[in-house]
Amino acid sequence: NAGVTQTPKFQVLKTGQSMTLQCAQDMNHNSMYWYRQDPGMGLRLIYYSASEGTTDKGEVPNGYNVSRLNKREFSLRLESAAPSQTSVYFCATPIAGGNIIADTQYFGPGTRLTVL
Amino acid sequence: GQQLNQSPQSMFIQEGEDVSMNCTSSSIFNTWLWYKQDPGEGPVLLIALYKAGELTSNGRLTAQFGTTRKDSFLNISASIPSDVGIYFCAGQLPYNGDMRFGAGTRLTVKP
Repeated sequence: NAGVTQTPKFQVLKTGQSMTLQCAQDMNHNSMYWYRQDPGMGLRLIYYSASEGTTDKGEVPNGYNVSRLNKREFSLRLESAAPSQTSVYFCATPIAGGNIIADTQYFGPGTRLTVL
Repeated sequence: GQQLNQSPQSMFIQEGEDVSMNCTSSSIFNTWLWYKQDPGEGPVLLIALYKAGELTSNGRLTAQFGTTRKDSFLNISASIPSDVGIYFCAGQLPYNGDMRFGAGTRLTVKP
């Protein structure tokens, strides 16, 4: 988890509420990723950002928006939370630093979100 | 077709025993990775494999990239209590670089 921080660690929302999950990396990497982890399933990519100012959809983008305003930070927003979005959310950045095609990833400690 | 099938789902072993787990898919992957996740933490990379047939070790851990590029295994030798956790495989798709993750193998080691 070195160099990748996420806030908050825990969050409980009511259906329809909005919130933003924050991720920051201090490794000067170009690429950053948001995943969700659900019981019995592998990590699934929500959105990724190959560089500052660019974002692309991953495997499960519906219900989420992202923002990459600078190289260091990549935020994930839930505009109207739904119970199906109850999950653990992980931010990641590649070890190699720049190549989105490469590589093995550092993961943040995660945000545990419950939507009631 | 792009999903990874990881087995077993869980293992209960005695300290000192060897462990083997694997991931298979009907799709080809460019890279195979193995992670360990402790409770309340993010996954931590254990081993990365970049070439078909590659066999790589990291201490008591050994992993191989299958020759068909559709599978990989991870072995842990002489298990110890701190090996407890969930082990995930991950593969990188060749055409877009997307990662796919297995559902994990939960390992319990009894002292």
